[in-house]
Amino acid sequence: AQSVTQPDIHITVSEGASLELRCNYSYGATPYLFWYVQSPGQGLQLLLKYFSGDTLVQGIKGFEAEFKRSQSSFNLRKPSVHWSDAAEYFCAVGASNTGKLIFGQGTTLQVKP
Amino acid sequence: DARVTQTPRHKVTEMGQEVTMRCQPILGHNTVFWYRQTMMQGLELLAYFRNRAPLDDSGMPKDRFSAEMPDATLATLKIQPSEPRDSAVYFCASGSPGLSTDTQYFGPGTRLTVL
Repeated sequence: AQSVTQPDIHITVSEGASLELRCNYSYGATPYLFWYVQSPGQGLQLLLKYFSGDTLVQGIKGFEAEFKRSQSSFNLRKPSVHWSDAAEYFCAVGASNTGKLIFGQGTTLQVKP
Repeated sequence: DARVTQTPRHKVTEMGQEVTMRCQPILGHNTVFWYRQTMMQGLELLAYFRNRAPLDDSGMPKDRFSAEMPDATLATLKIQPSEPRDSAVYFCASGSPGLSTDTQYFGPGTRLTVL
């Protein structure tokens, strides 16, 4: 069965530090992978997505993610975190041809000044 | 800038009352999803439609919840009667599988409080 695991429920980093949020998926075929961000009181906003091709994908707000098939991972990274990045981050895998997404439980990012 | 819109943004009601939430998907999208988000359960898929037809509503409590798409520009989620455990944020999302490969675009949500 398809599933997504975000091992870290809560992460705290200092402003200006680098960030990596982990995501592991379980899916039989080539997955479609997504990262969404949710700021307090807001809906989910798409950060980036992977469908095929280059395994390093660039997104909005300076985020990037790398697809590693051998590790079934799609980790999100940012070289220097800003206070405005404090939010909840969701990784998701798409089941092709259905349109459905399977979401992880989310990782809450706190940024220390 | 095309967006999914949801109304109302906030709703406070008393137990037993009917609640209707509305969603306008992005024009041209043929798939609409309803999610519920709570602290305890996280993000749960309640139901979804393609070309206005329900494809899967297995995540929805059938006795009190109903979802419809009266036309391509409107999706509704109704709770009757509402209960305090229904308090949550309800999100609508739309997409076009095949065109944008499962990408879903989310609305801002309806925050429901049932007293």
